[in-house]
Amino acid sequence: DTGVSQNPRHKITKRGQNVTFRCDPISEHNRLYWYRQTLGQGPEFLTYFQNEAQLEKSRLLSDRFSAERPKGSFSTLEIQRTEQGDSAMYLCASSLDGTEETQYFGPGTRLLVL
Amino acid sequence: GEDVEQSLFLSVREGDSSVINCTYTDSSSTYLYWYKQEPGAGLQLLTYIFSNMDMKQDQRLTVLLNKKDKHLSLRIADTQTGDSAIYFCAERFDSNYQLIWGAGTKLIIKP
Repeated sequence: DTGVSQNPRHKITKRGQNVTFRCDPISEHNRLYWYRQTLGQGPEFLTYFQNEAQLEKSRLLSDRFSAERPKGSFSTLEIQRTEQGDSAMYLCASSLDGTEETQYFGPGTRLLVL
Repeated sequence: GEDVEQSLFLSVREGDSSVINCTYTDSSSTYLYWYKQEPGAGLQLLTYIFSNMDMKQDQRLTVLLNKKDKHLSLRIADTQTGDSAIYFCAERFDSNYQLIWGAGTKLIIKP
């Protein structure tokens, strides 16, 4: 399977705990995006990387959210001190730099904060 | 503001055409997209249109773009039960490549 993969697919945690999600993009894609989707809504942009550089992070929801892409391949999204309002689907997408720039999405990680 | 608007529901009879409408905000967006999301599944790219085009056809799918009115539509010909899903339109902001999404239109197929 050469699509975008995300792990874990589901995560249940207690309020106050830290969680980390991983995204493996399509191998030749140099851009990687994180989105959050809540029930009944479209995805909400969080941040994106071009190679290892994080070029947009102003949309991260608070300073509890951080993302890395240390070697320009996989990426991690960490949420510290989780709150119940963080419960959502976290989506990762990747694209290849170019004129078309189609973003291909992974299956998402569903987070439930109790 | 950054609002992409879509109707929340559309109900059509099997075999009829479905037309899902969307209005977007940024006249400078160069690409507009339609994605499909089935229950429990990820977002699947259906089609996209470049902003200098008025129409794009791909098998049963026809996308119409009216830049003056910032209106985008997706027509699905001969709608089948397998087309039941939520359809999202999205516009791409070229400054940072982020996609701005509508809330999605749930397509319901009546037998």
